[in-house]
Amino acid sequence: EPEVTQTPSHQVTQMGQEVILRCVPISNHLYFYWYRQILGQKVEFLVSFYNNEISEKSEIFDDQFSVERPDGSNFTLKIRSTKLEDSAMYFCASSDATFQETQYFGPGTRLLVL
Amino acid sequence: KQEVTQIPAALSVPEGENLVLNCSFTDSAIYNLQWFRQDPGKGLTSLLLIQSSQREQTSGRLNASLDKSSGRSTLYIAASQPGDSATYLCAVNNNNDMRFGAGTRLTVKP
Repeated sequence: EPEVTQTPSHQVTQMGQEVILRCVPISNHLYFYWYRQILGQKVEFLVSFYNNEISEKSEIFDDQFSVERPDGSNFTLKIRSTKLEDSAMYFCASSDATFQETQYFGPGTRLLVL
Repeated sequence: KQEVTQIPAALSVPEGENLVLNCSFTDSAIYNLQWFRQDPGKGLTSLLLIQSSQREQTSGRLNASLDKSSGRSTLYIAASQPGDSATYLCAVNNNNDMRFGAGTRLTVKP
């Protein structure tokens, strides 16, 4: 069964460093998403992406965040200058033809900023 | 802004019981509602998706209902098993922006 994959599974970085989280969505999906979950808190929407541009973004998704689909398979989230409060689990998701379809989540990347 | 609330926060039941998890949301102008399961330290597994025009969806021992006008959804789990122990999350989709509840942590005791 097709699934969303994410790399790395864990990443530790120093405050102020740039990180890139990678995702491979399900191959025929067209909508892509990033979410985060700070330990013990709700899952929070960050951004949705369709047709090579951002569809929606939350108030969390400020100028330090960016997303890109550099090729036909990968979808990346870049955090330019990490802060301590960026420590969280980051989930990638994808869905079929429209955003009204089921979203399938990857296993997540646990980011720790020291 | 959409707010999603799940009650109870935690639930412990003996194996074999039927149970209901509740989800409420403040903005009824939703596209759909999705129930997920999350095991500790893991990702989210989609259980059921209900479109705004639907009243319920069923998958195996799971049944989810949606009352959009009152801003409520329930997830019914029949004949619970220890393997059902996990956190169950409700998520509401408004305009391509999915908002999650804090979840109900379910423990099914053998």
